[in-house]
Amino acid sequence: EAQVTQNPRYLITVTGKKLTVTCSQNMNHEYMSWYRQDPGLGLRQIYYSMNVEVTDKGDVPEGYKVSRKEKRNFPLILESPSPNQTSLYFCASSLGEGGRYGYTFGSGTRLTVV
Amino acid sequence: QQPVQSPQAVILREGEDAVINCSSSKALYSVHWYRQKHGEAPVFLMILLKGGEQKGHEKISASFNEKKQQSSLYLTASQLSYSGTYFCGTATIYGQNFVFGPGTRLSVLP
Repeated sequence: EAQVTQNPRYLITVTGKKLTVTCSQNMNHEYMSWYRQDPGLGLRQIYYSMNVEVTDKGDVPEGYKVSRKEKRNFPLILESPSPNQTSLYFCASSLGEGGRYGYTFGSGTRLTVV
Repeated sequence: QQPVQSPQAVILREGEDAVINCSSSKALYSVHWYRQKHGEAPVFLMILLKGGEQKGHEKISASFNEKKQQSSLYLTASQLSYSGTYFCGTATIYGQNFVFGPGTRLSVLP
């Protein structure tokens, strides 16, 4: 089944403890992206990647890191999480650069930083 | 830069029709439509590319007027399963600067 797999689904952590949210897609998509979703603010892009080893900042990149060493994987790293990063996170992938093709979203990761 | 969606929310009875609008201040290359049910991920419905096309997906269709930088999503004979939040996403020329709208919450009642 074609899908984007995110893990974990739920995560509660403490301020400053490094964490990684994994994202993997099995559709051979070139484009991958991370979004955070907050009430009243909609879906905001954190980082995106157009291909292996090619990443760039989205609208809200502060406090996050990403890497794209393999085409299928695009982990999101929070090196020192803070409470304002409490949010619902989605990984998404598409055939090509954002806007030309539809996105397939992962099931989401609800992160709480205390 | 974020597109504007209207209305913010709409409540329907089963079988009624609805229209959700999405507009941008910038020249658009494409418009996407997604539906997100509560607690779930957004699901891609359709994409409309520059050229003024209209598309359909079951009883859900959409139009794209590139001259007005507007798109409309039409839901006909709505079903309970249509409930959720509908997002448009827009990209400017060559598919750049893709951004989601704030969403329209649709509730279909029996």
